[in-house]
Amino acid sequence: EPEVTQTPSHQVTQMGQEVILRCVPISNHLYFYWYRQILGQKVEFLVSFYNNEISEKSEIFDDQFSVERPDGSNFTLKIRSTKLEDSAMYFCASSEISGATEAFFGQGTRLTVV
Amino acid sequence: AQSVSQHNHHVILSEAASLELGCNYSYGGTVNLFWYVQYPGQHLQLLLKYFSGDPLVKGIKGFEAEFIKSKFSFNLRKPSVQWSDTAEYFCAVTPRPGNTGKLIFGQGTTLQVKP
Repeated sequence: EPEVTQTPSHQVTQMGQEVILRCVPISNHLYFYWYRQILGQKVEFLVSFYNNEISEKSEIFDDQFSVERPDGSNFTLKIRSTKLEDSAMYFCASSEISGATEAFFGQGTRLTVV
Repeated sequence: AQSVSQHNHHVILSEAASLELGCNYSYGGTVNLFWYVQYPGQHLQLLLKYFSGDPLVKGIKGFEAEFIKSKFSFNLRKPSVQWSDTAEYFCAVTPRPGNTGKLIFGQGTTLQVKP
């Protein structure tokens, strides 16, 4: 069964450092998403990406965040200067069609900012 | 603002008990509705979805959900739970007009089934 894969599974970084979280969506999917879940809180939408551009982003997704699809397979989330409050589980997801089919989620990357 | 509310944060049941998890959403327009499950150590998986048609939808593993438009609700049910249903359950909606596929999640319900 096709799946979304995320690397690394756990990343520890120092405050102020840049991190890149990587995702390989399902190959025939066209829509890509990042979500995050701070411990004990809701899963929150960060950004959706289609046709090589951001289609929607949340208030959380400020100038410190960026996304990229550098090649035909990877989808990355970059946090330029991490803060303690960026510590969370970050989920990547992809879907064939936006909202009309299910989104498939990766297993997540746990980011710990120290 | 759009939001999803799940009434139960932590539910403990014995095997064979019936389950109902509440979900209400706040949005004035048309939505697509989902229930996702996250088993321990695994990724979020779709249990079932509702887009249109019969408001009673059946999903995997014996789960079903009923969309009641007048109550803005999409409650999840299972007549007889098993120990393997122990997991976290998330209700989510996607607003349909101008749909970018963004999912708005509830806070999740942790279900613990005792053998």
